[in-house]
Amino acid sequence: DAKTTQPPSMDCAEGRAANLPCNHSTISGNEYVYWYRQIHSQGPQYIIHGLKNNETNEMASLIITEDRKSSTLILPHATLRDTAVYYCIVLPYGGATNKLIFGTGTLLAVQP
Amino acid sequence: SQTIHQWPATLVQPVGSPLSLECTVEGTSNPNLYWYRQAAGRGLQLLFYSVGIGQISSEVPQNLSASRPQDRQFILSSKKLLLSDSGFYLCAWSVQRTITFGTDTQYFGPGTRLTVL
Repeated sequence: DAKTTQPPSMDCAEGRAANLPCNHSTISGNEYVYWYRQIHSQGPQYIIHGLKNNETNEMASLIITEDRKSSTLILPHATLRDTAVYYCIVLPYGGATNKLIFGTGTLLAVQP
Repeated sequence: SQTIHQWPATLVQPVGSPLSLECTVEGTSNPNLYWYRQAAGRGLQLLFYSVGIGQISSEVPQNLSASRPQDRQFILSSKKLLLSDSGFYLCAWSVQRTITFGTDTQYFGPGTRLTVL
C-alpha cells in the first residue's frame, strides 16, 4: 500500500547527474517526502527528506513541486557506488511511530 | 555520531530451532527502536517498535517476539523458527521526541540475513 509511484529502473552515466522522479499525487498536507536507498544486501540508507521546500545535503538535492504531488531526487555527480534501489516514501509527522513502507523503488544503474 | 550494530550478519538455522538477533545503538539516548523484515523480492515489513525499556509494540502477530532489556539494546527472538521466517532482518532507530510535531528519520543497521532450512 505504498503511496508513491516510481519508475522501476533507470541508467545514468558515471559523473553525470542522476534525476530520480517520484509521484505522490495523494500526499496530505502533514506528510513529508523521504528518500532512502538500498545497496544490494545492505540496510537501507537515509538520503534526504522535505515537506514543501527544496532541500540539499551532502548526498543529494530534493526538488518538490509547488503542488507537492511529485518530487525529484538529484544525485549531482553519480558514481558507481550510487548503484542501488532508491525508495521514495511519504510519512506523516507526529504520532507514536512512523512505519516505513517501501514500494518497489527505482533501480539506478550507474554505468562507467 | 550515532552507530547501530546488528549481529550476526548471516545465520542459517533449522526449522524448529530458537532464534536470537541483537541490535545495539551507540551515541544516543532513549531512542525509538524498530525491527523490520524484508523478504526476498518483497517490501519492508515492520515487526516491532519500542519507545522505551520494556515497552514493545507488535505490528504483526507471529511466532516472533522482541525485548528491550536496556535503553539501547533491542532483541528479536523466536522459540521455534518456521520456513517463512527466512528473510533480511533490519533494526532501525530514530530520535524520540516529546512533542507530536515533526517526523523522525529512521536509521538502519547493516541487517541480519536469516535462512531457515
